[in-house]
Parts: sequence; C-alpha cells; structure tokens
Amino acid sequence: DTGVSQDPRHKITKRGQNVTFRCDPISEHNRLYWYRQTLGQGPEFLTYFQNEAQLEKSRLLSDRFSAERPKGSFSTLEIQRTEQGDSAMYLCASSFTRGLETQYFGPGTRLLVL
Amino acid sequence: GENVEQHPSTLSVQEGDSAVIKCTYSDSASNYFPWYKQELGKRPQLIIDIRSNVGEKKDQRIAVTLNKTAKHFSLHITETQPEDSAVYFCAASKERGDTGRRALTFGSGTRLQVQP
Repeated sequence: DTGVSQDPRHKITKRGQNVTFRCDPISEHNRLYWYRQTLGQGPEFLTYFQNEAQLEKSRLLSDRFSAERPKGSFSTLEIQRTEQGDSAMYLCASSFTRGLETQYFGPGTRLLVL
Repeated sequence: GENVEQHPSTLSVQEGDSAVIKCTYSDSASNYFPWYKQELGKRPQLIIDIRSNVGEKKDQRIAVTLNKTAKHFSLHITETQPEDSAVYFCAASKERGDTGRRALTFGSGTRLQVQP
C-alpha cells in the first residue's frame, strides 16, 4: 500500500495518560500535516512539517501536544496528560510541494479518552 | 485567519438528480480549493480541486465552479447514484510567501443522501 498510513487505528486511554500516534506519509511527499476531526465537523489543522522542519502550529495545539518528524519521513504526534476533550479522530495528510500540492489523507487514529 | 462556511449541512436527492453544495471563504488570498468525500469511518478522499486562476473544472459527473469576486465556490454532482452518499467537505488554502502553501481550512461538511 503506497498511501498514507497511521498507527494505531484506535486508541482508548484513561484521562491523564500520554499517547503517541505515528504517521507514515507517501514516500516522495515532503510535506506532512496533522489534523483533528470531531464528530460532525471538518478536519481542523494542528501542525505541519516540510521535511523535518515544523513550519506552523495552530492555536489548537496546546503545550500538551507535541509533534516531530525527525528524519523528514514518518511523524509522531504525542498528547501528554490526556483530557476527555482530546477524544477525536487524528488525521495525517501528506503532499508534495509541486503543482497543486494535493493533500492525501491517512485513515486516522481514533482516540477515546475515558 | 481563513473561515470557510459550507451549506447545506444535509442534502437529500433522488437517484439521477443533481446535487449542489456551496462554500464561501473569507480570505481573498486563498487560491486553492479542494473538495473531499468522506464515507463513514473512512479517510477523506479528494474528488476534485481547483486553483483560483480557473473558473470551472469538470471531471465526469463532478464539477466545481469558483467565483473569486464573491469568494464562493460550488460542487456540482450530476446523475447522482446511491454510492455518492457520503459527507462532502470543501476547503481552502493560500500560498505563504516564505514557506509555500498553508494548511487547508475546511468547511463543516454536507451529508449527502441519494435515495434509490
């Protein structure tokens, strides 16, 4: 499968625990985005990388959230001290900085914080 | 920042009819407008996208129109089929001078139901 992949697909955790999600972009894509989607809403931008550089962070990204893309390939999104309000689908997308820069999405990680 | 409004939130049509979904955006610098289809429990899938230097783009039964002056764009689906039933999202983004294209700002979605 040459599309964007995410792991795990589902995560249930207790409030206060830390969780980490992984995204593997399409191999030649140099841009990687994280979005959050809650039920009945469109995806909301969290942060994005070009290669290993984190270029922009949304105000939604509180200091409990951190993202990395250490070698410019896969990325991780960590949430520390999870809260019930963090329950959502976390989507990753990747693109190539040429042409329309179309973003292709992964299947998402659904997080439930109890 | 950019704000994208989408309507209607739900749309029910008979199979074979046309469906139209409309979006407005607030930032006149936005110049790229994709549409995504999301089936229940699945990832958003790009169905068509358009740049602001093009007024209309068509791909088989799907077309997008853009009115830059009014800052709105629309998705048109003709000859709808039951498999078109899904949630459709519009989005907008613009170029950043220093680092290229910004992330997408999405509308709130339209749930399309095609009745057989």
